[in-house]
Amino acid sequence: SQQGEEDPQALSIQEGENATMNCSYKTSINNLQWYRQNSGRGLVHLILIRSNEREKHSGRLRVTLDTSKKSSSLLITASRAADTASYFCGHSGAGSYQLTFGKGTKLSVIP
Amino acid sequence: EAGVVQSPRYKIIEKKQPVAFWCNPISGHNTLYWYLQNLGQGPELLIRYENEEAVDDSQLPKDRFSAERLKGVDSTLKIQPAELGDSAVYLCASSSGATSTDTQYFGPGTRLTVL
Repeated sequence: SQQGEEDPQALSIQEGENATMNCSYKTSINNLQWYRQNSGRGLVHLILIRSNEREKHSGRLRVTLDTSKKSSSLLITASRAADTASYFCGHSGAGSYQLTFGKGTKLSVIP
Repeated sequence: EAGVVQSPRYKIIEKKQPVAFWCNPISGHNTLYWYLQNLGQGPELLIRYENEEAVDDSQLPKDRFSAERLKGVDSTLKIQPAELGDSAVYLCASSSGATSTDTQYFGPGTRLTVL
């Protein structure tokens, strides 16, 4: 069963706007990862944040992690139509290799 | 570098028929995963291999599902017999290491429709 939840389930924005999606989980984690999935494709790894980190950046992506609230957020700045996809967070517990994914956020960027 | 290859991309079968999915991981990746993804959901792990050994198959429904990874490279996932509820996307992923921080590379998946 899935132990994480992304919020919102769907998000529609105009090109150039920022997109923020959130992820919550229930157990202690070792790390949390964000993936993107374009329609009909597999998941593509975006960024990993470890439990002792609070923020990471990669290009237009910014990920934050609040272990006290068991939550993470993914910010995509200056969104583009090509960012249209579903975004999933996957988390892994201490000593575990396994990633547990949430239901994802479906992002639509309107040109 | 070639990514994870899966075939077929789509499969339509009638219930009670058998079906098999094939995965070729990225060259040199010893760890291979099979995931199930239902519509509107995230992937759920079915089985994980390290080389040719299935090190975690606790979430594989063994009454009808089976998998193998002969020679520690390609892998096949089989369902026999298929049920209506098996309609989903079956994703294969591979990674160079066996820890959770090793990036998993996903294939495009096989979309199974059971009629």
